[in-house]
Amino acid sequence: VQLVESGGGLVQPGKSLKLSCSASGFTFSSYGMHWIRQAPGKGLDWVAYISSSSGTVYADAVKGRFTISRDNAKNTLYLQLNSLKSEDTAIYYCASEATDYWGQGVMVTVSS
Amino acid sequence: DIQMTQSPSFLSASVGDRVTINCKASQNINKYLNWYQQKLGEAPKRLIYNTNNLQTGIPSRFSGSGSGTDYTLTISSLQPEDFATYFCLQHNSFPFTFGSGTKLEIK
Repeated sequence: VQLVESGGGLVQPGKSLKLSCSASGFTFSSYGMHWIRQAPGKGLDWVAYISSSSGTVYADAVKGRFTISRDNAKNTLYLQLNSLKSEDTAIYYCASEATDYWGQGVMVTVSS
Repeated sequence: DIQMTQSPSFLSASVGDRVTINCKASQNINKYLNWYQQKLGEAPKRLIYNTNNLQTGIPSRFSGSGSGTDYTLTISSLQPEDFATYFCLQHNSFPFTFGSGTKLEIK
């Protein structure tokens, strides 16, 4: 199993960014997936979940601003981040449904 | 939302020591509690799932216990590679919530 995130970077407050997580080594379409983030020097925060049938759940802190989605044909998970705030600055990890596999993480920095 | 209170925040111990880390949930989480180890610059690694199930490849010196609202991670004999930060996660209900972490340092 391998999960590889991409798409991070430096973005201004209020702007948008789209993260990707490329999955391999398992039947991606059969499993739910999570995004989890970690602010610099801080703990872990669960962000969002998408089921195998594309049902979604979000943390209150990102509801209405972030959108989790998936493309099973491309074995790829996405997180669209809109209306970004400085407090969204973090390493963003994708993780398997059982959280037994994690990507290496991608850094998102929100700053003017 | 379920709050997870993890203790202690910091733990100083020596190689060979037995240590315990605790997580207390704000309500019954039905043993849906995982433990993770995170080393600096790395992604978290799952050690224990559903309270007491050892992840494949994790040494048997790691164990978990608990029920209801109270859960414990025990490392029976600390090894040098165990010095890291540990987190618990409740996955009984959304939103999933993590404990605040325990940094295990060498005494």
